[in-house]
Parts: sequence; structure tokens; C-alpha cells
Amino acid sequence: KAGVTQTPRYLIKTRGQQVTLSCSPISGHRSVSWYQQTPGQGLQFLFEYFSETQRNKGNFPGRFSGRQFSNSRSEMNVSTLELGDSALYLCASSLDSGGPNPYEQYFGPGTRLTVT
Amino acid sequence: QQQVKQSPQSLIVQKGGIPIINCAYENTAFDYFPWYQQFPGKGPALLIAIRPDVSEKKEGRFTISFNKSAKQFSLHIMDSQPGDSATYFCAARRKGGYNKLIFGAGTRLAVHP
Repeated sequence: KAGVTQTPRYLIKTRGQQVTLSCSPISGHRSVSWYQQTPGQGLQFLFEYFSETQRNKGNFPGRFSGRQFSNSRSEMNVSTLELGDSALYLCASSLDSGGPNPYEQYFGPGTRLTVT
Repeated sequence: QQQVKQSPQSLIVQKGGIPIINCAYENTAFDYFPWYQQFPGKGPALLIAIRPDVSEKKEGRFTISFNKSAKQFSLHIMDSQPGDSATYFCAARRKGGYNKLIFGAGTRLAVHP
């Protein structure tokens, strides 16, 4: 099976712009979670989507949003970019039901966002 | 508020040594504890995970020890190799928290030949 894929891999944006990142989960996986990774704050949970609904949210401002499509693919959007949004954005997918370990999460390679 | 405390921040061992990375948690509602390995430029890769009803779990050269009463768990890497040089993260999931993971700060491991 193919792993979690994320596009684009690298992105450079200017303050004030907005950006959309895409994630394709492992085939059959229904849950998609997003994390932000920075040297200062480490890995922080942004939100989780399941069946096209957000069912979990971290402590990030409303500028960060996401959605999930019927094929489980997900996008996250950051509006009005700030310098502090520069980070590696990681997507993780999990089966979420069935099997011995339904909540195991598998991460994609991430999208490196640089805000100038 | 950091709910999973990981130590040490960095660790250097010689090839064949047994690095040990420790994590402590505060919330007794956590019910799933995975460990991830991350190489530069890559996403975290799931290594091994444990639930609180098990005190030890082994997968290949990786072992998790879990002490429920002390609210601590640790990762041991047997016969470490230079290829194990990476950053390791412990994490925890709250019961009923779906797939939200709370991560430790990470440990940068270097295994010297």
C-alpha cells in the first residue's frame, strides 16, 4: 500500500497570504489528523477529520482550518500568514475502526512552509 | 501545558550500546502510548506502541517498559546501530480522544560507530 502523501513538499509564502496544503491518506484509512512541527514548540495537534467532519481540534487560532472530502483526502488552510506559521505541517492517517490497532497513526513526509 | 515530559533532550551512545529514553505523563486518562522515530527531512514513523495494561512490549531491537503507578514509560534500543541515529518522540492519547496525540519534546539520539 502507498503511504500518506502530502503536497506540495515545500512552499514559500509572504506574510498576509493564505495557503492550502493537501493530504492523501493510506487507502482505506478514514481518519486524517494534522500536526504542526517547529523547533520551539515541537509536534502540536491541529485538528482531526473523520467522515468529512472535524471531531477534534487543538489550540490554534481560527486562521487554521481544514476539511475532508468523501474519499478521505484532506486539506488544511492557513489564512493571513504570519512569520510564526513557518513550520513543517504533517498529516497522519489511521484506519480508525476494525483490526487489532485501529488508532495507529501513520505520518506523511510533511509540507515545509516558509513564511517571509 | 506540557502533559508528556521526555528526557533526555539528546543522547550519544557507542554502537552496540543500549540508549534509554524516558517519558512521564500526568493524565491518568491516557490509554495509548506510541513511540515515533524521525529522520531529518522525513515524517515521524511509528516504531512501537503500548497500552497501560501491559508492562513491557518488544518489537525487534525496540522495547517499551511501562510503569503505570509511576506514570512513566521508556524506550530501550538494544544493540544500537549508527542507522538508529534519529530523533525519537514519545506520545500519549487520551481515552475518548480519538486520534489526538500529545507528543513529548523529542530526544535526539546519535549512535557513534
